[in-house]
Amino acid sequence: KAGVTQTPRYLIKTRGQQVTLSCSPISGHRSVSWYQQTPGQGLQFLFEYFSETQRNKGNFPGRFSGRQFSNSRSEMNVSTLELGDSALYLCASSLASVTDTQYFGPGTRLTVL
Amino acid sequence: DAKTTQPNSMESNEEEPVHLPCNHSTISGTDYIHWYRQLPSQGPEYVIHGLTSNVNNRMASLAIAEDRKSSTLILHRATLRDAAVYYCIRSSGTYKYIFGTGTRLKVLA
Repeated sequence: KAGVTQTPRYLIKTRGQQVTLSCSPISGHRSVSWYQQTPGQGLQFLFEYFSETQRNKGNFPGRFSGRQFSNSRSEMNVSTLELGDSALYLCASSLASVTDTQYFGPGTRLTVL
Repeated sequence: DAKTTQPNSMESNEEEPVHLPCNHSTISGTDYIHWYRQLPSQGPEYVIHGLTSNVNNRMASLAIAEDRKSSTLILHRATLRDAAVYYCIRSSGTYKYIFGTGTRLKVLA
């Protein structure tokens, strides 16, 4: 069974631009979560989607948004990029519940110049 | 804000047991405790999770204190492949993972 895939793997943007990251979950998984990982703040929860609905979100500004499609694939968007948005963005999928194992993708490394 | 704290780093000799501690400043009765580990250039991978009682699986054991404000991940026999950053996680409410600070485990041959 194919794992979680994220595209692109690496991205370089400049301040003020916007970016869209994509995540394809494991087949049959309906929950997709997004995380930001930085050396200073560690791993922080961004939001979680299930059946195209956002069920929970972390403490991030409105510039960070996401969506989920009917095939469970998910995208996250960051508008008006800031230098501090440089991070590894991780996507994880699971069957449905918080107690189900989350399977993480390799991440997208975003660099904002 | 509620915090989940872990030691920055620990060392263990190969084939010896390792006890990785975790403390939660706040945890509710319905919050699960999960442990994941992350190898370099990879996303985190599942190790174990539990709610109130101790849990065992083929990878590790999880000991949860009675007040649930602390937990310990036990690797029974550390191998070189167990060298990674280990994260203790509280799932707050539902579907929201709050990661701890992580412990970098070094295994000595």
